Amino acid sequence: GQSLEQPSEVTAVEGAIVQINCTYQTSGFYGLSWYQQHDGGAPTFLSYNGLDGLEETGRFSSFLSRSDSYGYLLLQELQMKDSASYFCAVGDSNYQLIWGAGTKLIIKP
Amino acid sequence: KAGVTQTPRYLIKTRGQQVTLSCSPISGHRSVSWYQQTPGQGLQFLFEYFSETQRNKGNFPGRFSGRQFSNSRSEMNVSTLELGDSALYLCASSLGQAATNEKLFFGSGTQLSVL
Repeated sequence: GQSLEQPSEVTAVEGAIVQINCTYQTSGFYGLSWYQQHDGGAPTFLSYNGLDGLEETGRFSSFLSRSDSYGYLLLQELQMKDSASYFCAVGDSNYQLIWGAGTKLIIKP
Repeated sequence: KAGVTQTPRYLIKTRGQQVTLSCSPISGHRSVSWYQQTPGQGLQFLFEYFSETQRNKGNFPGRFSGRQFSNSRSEMNVSTLELGDSALYLCASSLGQAATNEKLFFGSGTQLSVL
């Protein structure tokens, strides 16, 4: 079957760095995306990796290794407002977007 | 530019009823995809419409259907509601097809409760 695996919960301290991993098993691959969702809010796009390597957008970076079917989202200089759920998603060969179950990021002061 | 608008924001229905949810995409976006989200779960793909045509459909029963109008607005319908249909229903609009990982813009969702 198709699946994306990511940790259910990660805890970090304000100002620190945290990495959220995502491993995938899908038929076909059209890139790995990351979305952020605050409680009660809509998911918002963070980043996209279509090719291997690192993509950087401000405090957020995302990495992809297609040979390992693995990617991660790196958040630096954590702020309390970064407390949210983070989802990875992969487009498969059936043109469906497959989503991970989400990682709840808890930030402590 | 106005964002993606979903109506209604909240709905309470009873088992056996049917419901219609509406989604207005960002102006110029031709793709609308729908997702079901339950607590602690990721988003489950329902279907995607592009230029009034259903491009693909997820693994949901035939009670879940949708359509897209010429102005790109989309509706999804759930007939014969079941308790398990209680969820947040999200729609997203994009310029191109969602699965090719075009950046998706989500609406705030419709929270459906089935009693």
